[in-house]
Amino acid sequence: QSVLTQPPSASGTPGQRVTISCSGSSSNVGGSAVSWFQQLPGKAPKLLLHSHNQRPAGVPDRFSGSKSGTSTSLAISGLLSEDEADYYCAAWDDSLNGWVFGGGTKLTVL
Amino acid sequence: QVHLVQSGAEVKRPGASVKVSCQASGYTFTTFDINWVRQAPGQGLEWMGWMNPLTGDTGYARKFQGRVTLTRITSKGTAYMELSSLTSEDTAVYYCARRYGGWLDPWGQGTPVTVS
Repeated sequence: QSVLTQPPSASGTPGQRVTISCSGSSSNVGGSAVSWFQQLPGKAPKLLLHSHNQRPAGVPDRFSGSKSGTSTSLAISGLLSEDEADYYCAAWDDSLNGWVFGGGTKLTVL
Repeated sequence: QVHLVQSGAEVKRPGASVKVSCQASGYTFTTFDINWVRQAPGQGLEWMGWMNPLTGDTGYARKFQGRVTLTRITSKGTAYMELSSLTSEDTAVYYCARRYGGWLDPWGQGTPVTVS
């Protein structure tokens, strides 16, 4: 049972916009910077967004993030087949004094 | 360029211990915490603990306290994660990741550990 809640799956067709949600509490999402990771099959997680909506160098602007209260979301616009991957949200939890993750969302590009 | 390179795959018997290394390059090793995260087959990410390479201070997830030990050799720029009393439920890929600001980046390539 993950501390942060994500839908287990999401899907879209090429070119579409897809949103993945992540909900937590005041001790994590509500009070800390949220980051998002993309994990391709057999690979290590790769940082996609940090501080809710900041993209590291090299991440396309098709990826964006937003936050409202204790919930956050990742949006992917102009969906490409190469976006098919698992996506995880993460945040520092002040009550647990550790990192917490969502259970992951498997994105399928139809 | 910042890299974390981990040691190779391990196969251990139940009850044994495993020690995984994580060598940092491209930055000053003692500047940022190293965290350890594991991922069981087909499962999500699970945080295990952090270590400050400068001071050696550590923090562990409650689930792993008493069973995991994080250490480092600063002259080698290398962090270590040792997990003891292994069971089949510890079969997973173990990752190290640098804490940079308020996020984890980059991650090592992962070390598969099989307990059988």
